[in-house]
Amino acid sequence: GNSVTQMEGPVTLSEEAFLTINCTYTATGYPSLFWYVQYPGEGLQLLLKATKADDKGSNKGFEATYRKETTSFHLEKGSVQVSDSAVYFCALSVAGSARQLTFGSGTQLTVLP
Amino acid sequence: DAGVIQSPRHEVTEMGQEVTLRCKPISGHNSLFWYRQTMMRGLELLIYFNNNVPIDDSGMPEDRFSAKMPNASFSTLKIQPSEPRDSAVYFCASSLWDLRDYEQYFGPGTRLTVT
Repeated sequence: GNSVTQMEGPVTLSEEAFLTINCTYTATGYPSLFWYVQYPGEGLQLLLKATKADDKGSNKGFEATYRKETTSFHLEKGSVQVSDSAVYFCALSVAGSARQLTFGSGTQLTVLP
Repeated sequence: DAGVIQSPRHEVTEMGQEVTLRCKPISGHNSLFWYRQTMMRGLELLIYFNNNVPIDDSGMPEDRFSAKMPNASFSTLKIQPSEPRDSAVYFCASSLWDLRDYEQYFGPGTRLTVT
């Protein structure tokens, strides 16, 4: 089956620190990979995505590269801000009738000023 | 675009009562998903629809849960009777499914508390 394993949180960083949140996956078929972000009291929003090996998704200073050889999609940001405090979910989708998303457990990030 | 609309945003009810959660997907989207989020179990897919037809309801926890999509603009998730363990945040998401684009857009969620 399909599964996503994320680095457990919570993660607490100081402003301007470097962020890495690890994500690995197993999938039947060739998945597309996603990072979603959930701010307090809100629904999930797509942060970035990559649809094939070696693709790099990027948005708002966040980046993740689709690594097929290591089945990974680690999220990075060079300098975090207080406003980045949120829960981050790694997810995958495999071609099918509706491209269901399989989510990781989420990683809570808190950025301190 | 108003995005995915869910109502109510908060619901507090007593055990045994019927609860109905509502969702209006983004206009033009043809897939709709219901999720449940808890601290213990994370984010779980309950059921999804394609073109108003339920495709997979294997995530629905038990017969007390039911979902309908009478038209492309409206879906409901009903719990009858409700139990304290149903307390969670329920999200609705919609997408325009085709071979190229399948981003899911989430609503703000309904926080359900069953006492």
